Amino acid sequence: EVQLVQSGAEMKKPGESLKISCKGSGYSFSTFWIGWVRQMPGKGLEWMGLIYPGDSDATYSPSFQGQVTISADKSINTASVQWSSLKASDAAMYFCARHVRQRGGSYYFDYWGQGTLVTVSS
Amino acid sequence: QSVLTQPPSVSAAPGQRVTISCSGSSSNIGNNFVSWYQQLPGTAPKLLIYENNRRPSGIPDRFSGSKSGTSATLAITGLQTGDEADYYCVTWDTNLSVGGVFGGGTKLTVL
Repeated sequence: EVQLVQSGAEMKKPGESLKISCKGSGYSFSTFWIGWVRQMPGKGLEWMGLIYPGDSDATYSPSFQGQVTISADKSINTASVQWSSLKASDAAMYFCARHVRQRGGSYYFDYWGQGTLVTVSS
Repeated sequence: QSVLTQPPSVSAAPGQRVTISCSGSSSNIGNNFVSWYQQLPGTAPKLLIYENNRRPSGIPDRFSGSKSGTSATLAITGLQTGDEADYYCVTWDTNLSVGGVFGGGTKLTVL
């Protein structure tokens, strides 16, 4: 059974650093892209970026480029997002999801993590 | 503001049919497959439709997808109260460096 299990909720202060994670199981973690999606309180889903755990090739949405770092460690089947200095506006729910890429340009997220709630408040 | 436009909300009575539109352009929907996701309150999104009109196993045939030109549509028939959720369309966009984009989302209310 494919599962993505995310790390627990975090409560941080502005300026602090943070790394949240997503551990995959039940499939070959190295051979599927992992995507990260942000959902701010009461708002819609936003595409943050993707990473291929096999070689750690990462791509970022322009809105998130330079704001976060997406990484992966295939030895422990885990992908992560980190912030070096959190802002109040980073408070959100963050989801990871397995990104399927098929020939012919078919791309979609087929399995999702449960989400990690990040609270940023002084 | 997303490059994919969805109506903020739709509503219908139980048992009825509802459609949710997703409008884009030639750089996204016009030349790429569309997927649809359901997000029930307080939960993670779930894949409903991929490759415009294909359902993953376990998704009832009450849910269907279609695409025409630069627009896509999700249709739900035989509405149930349990279908009350937010629905999102997603596609690839060749104008974006990362490629992927979500629609703004549509809140479905089952009256």
